[in-house]
Amino acid sequence: DIQMTQSPASLSASLGETVTIECLASEDIYDILAWYQQKPGKSPQLLIYDASSLHTGVPSRFSGSGSGTQYSLKINSLQPEDFASYYCQNGLSAPTFGAGTKLELK
Amino acid sequence: QVQLQQSGAELAKPGSSVKISCKASGYTFTSYYISWIKQTTGQGLEYIGYINTGSGGTNYNEKFKGKATLTVDKSSSTAFMQLSSLTPDDSAVYYCARPGGSGAFDYWGQGVMVTVSS
Repeated sequence: DIQMTQSPASLSASLGETVTIECLASEDIYDILAWYQQKPGKSPQLLIYDASSLHTGVPSRFSGSGSGTQYSLKINSLQPEDFASYYCQNGLSAPTFGAGTKLELK
Repeated sequence: QVQLQQSGAELAKPGSSVKISCKASGYTFTSYYISWIKQTTGQGLEYIGYINTGSGGTNYNEKFKGKATLTVDKSSSTAFMQLSSLTPDDSAVYYCARPGGSGAFDYWGQGVMVTVSS
């Protein structure tokens, strides 16, 4: 299985700040990479697919980039509703997920 | 709008089985597979497998072979997952999700909490 290493595990930031979350795959996943947001007690919601494509309805302050084994999710100008957990997911072979990043309000 | 509505929370005894459901609406059911995903605090998100909603064909993560059985009822646009020989390690939230293409899950059910306890 492809292992997904996500960092940091937790992140503290202020409203209006820009943050970046990283995801490292154990082998090349050819940009078949998705990002999800999950709020407590809710199911994960798709943000980004194919490493950089924004899912329908997702605000443009979210963006994804990367290639090969290294990918990142960037959130510009943090809003109150952005404080949540974020997960990356390999979609190339049997899906595997990163361990998650908890984004908290400073 | 696309919705995946899952059944309610389950409390089960060790050694027993549970069967949870996922009813789809808002799209053509047989045009998309349904996948199942387990979430625990300790192990995070784990992929269980998928079912081809048209043919009933299945594919399982090796870890969940013998534990999970996926079935489908096309007439009611509902997918099912049965978990057997339950142990406390099976306590988790289980999600159904629609693979929308490019390996991403574009819609998720609300999740079912399964608690295994004597």
